[in-house]
Amino acid sequence: AQSVTQLDSQVPVFEEAPVELRCNYSSSVSVYLFWYVQYPNQGLQLLLKYLSGSTLVKGINGFEAEFNKSQTSFHLRKPSVHISDTAEYFCAVTLTSSNTGKLIFGQGTTLQVKP
Amino acid sequence: DGGITQSPKYLFRKEGQNVTLSCEQNLNHDAMYWYRQDPGQGLRLIYYSQIVNDFQKGDIAEGYSVSREKKESFPLTVTSAQKNPTAFYLCASSPMTGRTEAFFGQGTRLTVV
Repeated sequence: AQSVTQLDSQVPVFEEAPVELRCNYSSSVSVYLFWYVQYPNQGLQLLLKYLSGSTLVKGINGFEAEFNKSQTSFHLRKPSVHISDTAEYFCAVTLTSSNTGKLIFGQGTTLQVKP
Repeated sequence: DGGITQSPKYLFRKEGQNVTLSCEQNLNHDAMYWYRQDPGQGLRLIYYSQIVNDFQKGDIAEGYSVSREKKESFPLTVTSAQKNPTAFYLCASSPMTGRTEAFFGQGTRLTVV
């Protein structure tokens, strides 16, 4: 079975500082990887996804993530955060062989950007 | 604009009552999903459907029911058998192949008193 672990439940950071949100997954078969963002009382919005090719993926709002197959990780980074980045972030995977599109989510990381 | 519409945004119900959450999409997606979100637990899959008139249980289907009579619609009923129904419910859709991300509605916050 597949699982996703987000290693930090909360990450406080000052405005304009860099941030890394960590995600590790467990799977015996190949997966696609996603990062979603959720603002309070809203749905999820896709930040970026890794399907194949270059392991460094760039997304919206200045975020990027690096797929590391040997470490089964997909950490999300931003070089300089803004107050508006305060939100909950979810890492998710789906099997490349899937014909259902089902996502398996991590527990989420709350990013708190302080002025 | 294409998207997923969930209604209502907030819902209050008395304990023991069934309640139905609406989810409509105009993205022409084959697959639709219902997730439940609780603090610190991420999103857990309740039910999903890949085609009209067919659906499968997810990881936490007990106490819930769904229907898929139209491609655009996938309503979720929270029954009185659900022991802890207060949560944030998210509906999503996708073209079903894993290469394309799922698109989410804005959610319904259900509070049972």
